[in-house]
Amino acid sequence: QSVLTQPPSVSGAPGQRVTISCTGSNSNIGAGYDVQWYQLLPGTAPKLLIYRNNNRPSGVVDRFSGSKSGTSASLAITGLQAEDEATYYCQSYDNSLFVVFGGGTNLTVL
Amino acid sequence: QVQLVESGGGVVQPGGSLRLSCAASGFSFSVYAFHWVRQAPGKGLEWVAVLSSDGKNSHYADSVKGRFTVSRDTSKNTLYLQMNSLGTEDTAMYYCARETTRIQIFDVGMNVWGHGTTVTVS
Repeated sequence: QSVLTQPPSVSGAPGQRVTISCTGSNSNIGAGYDVQWYQLLPGTAPKLLIYRNNNRPSGVVDRFSGSKSGTSASLAITGLQAEDEATYYCQSYDNSLFVVFGGGTNLTVL
Repeated sequence: QVQLVESGGGVVQPGGSLRLSCAASGFSFSVYAFHWVRQAPGKGLEWVAVLSSDGKNSHYADSVKGRFTVSRDTSKNTLYLQMNSLGTEDTAMYYCARETTRIQIFDVGMNVWGHGTTVTVS
């Protein structure tokens, strides 16, 4: 079991908006640590999508956005496209475990 | 361009050892901290270890502590992961990843990743 909890899968039709939740605890997200989000496409290197809760690295489209509140964080994807079909991971830090990841969420574009 | 390339993976028997390498290029290697992250078949990402930007401090996941050692050779711009006493639970794709910000460790995640190298313990 991963320290951060994500839904195993989400889906949406092209053009729709989907959100992926990431729930932690008071020793990680709730302790004030920032949350990052990564996108994994099969056969490719993981890609940083969101850093420091709601910031996009250069080159990441603004259809991706992040938020954080309390012990949870969310990734929102608007205007869903077929190319967004991938596995998404949240990541934060923990008082005793250093770096923690969520279990990953498979996004299916219907 | 900015790049990390892992190598050294393979098939090893339980109890055996393996050393992974991660060659960096396109940026100043010695001013960044580096992580190893793995993904077992059908599982999610698992953080393994980190080496600080000055090469003096390392931290490990409980699952590998005492068995794995992270190190670097700045003359070769290469990060290493020495893995000893391997078990079947160590079977995974191993990625090296660079901290997003210079000097910092455990700051804002990892913005440069390699494509990974596969380790199979069988």
